[in-house]
Amino acid sequence: AQKITQTQPGMFVQEKEAVTLDCTYDTSDPSYGLFWYKQPSSGEMIFLIYQGSYDQQNATEGRYSLNFQKARKSANLVISASQLGDSAMYFCAMRGRNAGGTSYGKLTFGQGTILTVHP
Amino acid sequence: EAQVTQNPRYLITVTGKKLTVTCSQNMNHEYMSWYRQDPGLGLRQIYYSMNVEVTDKGDVPEGYKVSRKEKRNFPLILESPSPNQTSLYFCASSFRAVNEQFFGPGTRLTVL
Repeated sequence: AQKITQTQPGMFVQEKEAVTLDCTYDTSDPSYGLFWYKQPSSGEMIFLIYQGSYDQQNATEGRYSLNFQKARKSANLVISASQLGDSAMYFCAMRGRNAGGTSYGKLTFGQGTILTVHP
Repeated sequence: EAQVTQNPRYLITVTGKKLTVTCSQNMNHEYMSWYRQDPGLGLRQIYYSMNVEVTDKGDVPEGYKVSRKEKRNFPLILESPSPNQTSLYFCASSFRAVNEQFFGPGTRLTVL
């Protein structure tokens, strides 16, 4: 069974500083994918970044980067130059195989981290 | 505009009264999925569909049914809702399972 853990219920950061949101995962399957989503207070889910298990380089998307450490099974999100609009709930998620091993459609989310950016 | 739509957005119902939450996407995506979001638990996958007529259970399928008769629609059916199904429900779709998912706006369901 696959599992995602986000150990930081809440994080605070000063505007313009960088912040790292932690995510660890557990799976025995060599093929998987890791996603980060943002959920502002308005409730919508916004895709941020994706890392495949076979990708050689860490993913980056603008101010977002994923610190992928495969041996440690961690996929931390780094937000550089934080902005007030970054205040939101952040979810880490893992795509993996279903119980029967017939498809890769199963997506498991962590509990989320609430990020607050102070001016 | 490319989007995932859900209806209704808000619903208050009573225990045992069958209901359907519709989900539709206009992006020709193969993969669709339903989640419920509860405080402290994140999002949990209910059912997903890799393509038309192909559905599979997620982590919390009990009490729910789905069908995928056509590519664009993936309704969630609660045959006999109970108060523990009070939650915020999200539908999502992606081109394939490996791609990022586009989420609908959510449906807030209250079962009394």
